[in-house]
Amino acid sequence: AQSVTQLDSHVSVSEGTPVLLRCNYSSSYSPSLFWYVQHPNKGLQLLLKYTSAATLVKGINGFEAEFKKSETSFHLTKPSAHMSDAAEYFCVVTSYGGATNKLIFGTGTLLAVQP
Amino acid sequence: GAGVSQSPSNKVTEKGKDVELRCDPISGHTALYWYRQSLGQGLEFLIYFQGNSAPDKSGLPSDRFSAERTGGSVSTLTIQRTQQEDSAVYLCASSLAVTSSGNTIYFGEGSWLTVV
Repeated sequence: AQSVTQLDSHVSVSEGTPVLLRCNYSSSYSPSLFWYVQHPNKGLQLLLKYTSAATLVKGINGFEAEFKKSETSFHLTKPSAHMSDAAEYFCVVTSYGGATNKLIFGTGTLLAVQP
Repeated sequence: GAGVSQSPSNKVTEKGKDVELRCDPISGHTALYWYRQSLGQGLEFLIYFQGNSAPDKSGLPSDRFSAERTGGSVSTLTIQRTQQEDSAVYLCASSLAVTSSGNTIYFGEGSWLTVV
């Protein structure tokens, strides 16, 4: 079975400092991994995805993530946080059951950005 | 349309009433999903439609929940005899046909359901 674990439920950083949101996955085959962001009262927006191409994936708004198979990790990073980055972030793995391409969500990490 | 469209955006209903939530996927997307996001409980898969295939209903929490997709496009999620624990955000998503390459799944902004 596939699963993801987001290691921090809350992360607080100061504006202009680096962001690290941690995610570990479990999968019985080569997974597809995603990071989604959800701003307050908004839908989910795709930040980036890994689908067995380059292990370092660049996404929108300066975010990137590195797929590390040996560590079963897919941590999200950004060199310099902006106030507008404050949101909830979800690490996601796909689960192929028959013909269904389900997304299995982590429990989310709430990012706060202090001025 | 440009994105996944859901309606209503907010719904307050009395316990025991039925509700219908609508989803209009991105044009050309054959796969459609319903997820539920409850406070403090993350996102929960409900049901999946792919073209003319039988839907995957494995995530529906009870027989009070049902969904249909007419003409391979618009979908309606119906909750009968609503209970307070049904209060949540119901998210619809769509994607191109399923492949092993991890097609991007695009989400709507959700329908916020409150059962009082």
